[in-house]
Amino acid sequence: SQQGEEDPQALSIQEGENATMNCSYKTSINNLQWYRQNSGRGLVHLILIRSNEREKHSGRLRVTLDTSKKSSSLLITASRAADTASYFCATWRGPMNRDDKIIFGKGTRLHILP
Amino acid sequence: DTEVTQTPKHLVMGMTNKKSLKCEQHMGHRAMYWYKQKAKKPPELMFVYSYEKLSINESVPSRFSPECPNSSLLNLHLHALQPEDSALYLCASSRTDRGNYGYTFGSGTRLTVV
Repeated sequence: SQQGEEDPQALSIQEGENATMNCSYKTSINNLQWYRQNSGRGLVHLILIRSNEREKHSGRLRVTLDTSKKSSSLLITASRAADTASYFCATWRGPMNRDDKIIFGKGTRLHILP
Repeated sequence: DTEVTQTPKHLVMGMTNKKSLKCEQHMGHRAMYWYKQKAKKPPELMFVYSYEKLSINESVPSRFSPECPNSSLLNLHLHALQPEDSALYLCASSRTDRGNYGYTFGSGTRLTVV
């Protein structure tokens, strides 16, 4: 079953604005990862945040994790045209689960307007 | 070398053809994956190889046959495919088969079955 659900499904913002995407999941996790996919291309790993972490930064990216609410957010600051892509969250439940693989959410399609 | 290389980038094949997709990585990763992705959908896991052994087969039809000749190479042999198998096929690798590391994806093979 699908573990992560991104919200919104699609987002259009002006270049220079900040973009926020959310991911909710259903069961306890070991970590949550965010990936970017440009149209028709492979996925690029952006950030991995572990269940004992609350916030991580990488350049213009900021990821938060709230395990009590089973949710994560990805913030892209000062957006650029090159940020236009689909963004997926993926969760890993941990080594004690039989389902020992990462599960992708449905993704958020982000469009940066010039 | 921090890349996963997939060939070919595009493939058109008839329903009676036999073809192979190839994937290569030289990062010393011990887990390799095949995913199938339809338009506007998240990647769906097909197979996982861990230390060159098939560890997960997600009930994929036998017309898809994976092969891992060595720790750097992963093939997907295709035979008697159906038009609904048309999709982007993604290869990925990670340090281990556990989800505690991010995945590195190739750019994919766009497959069209006619």
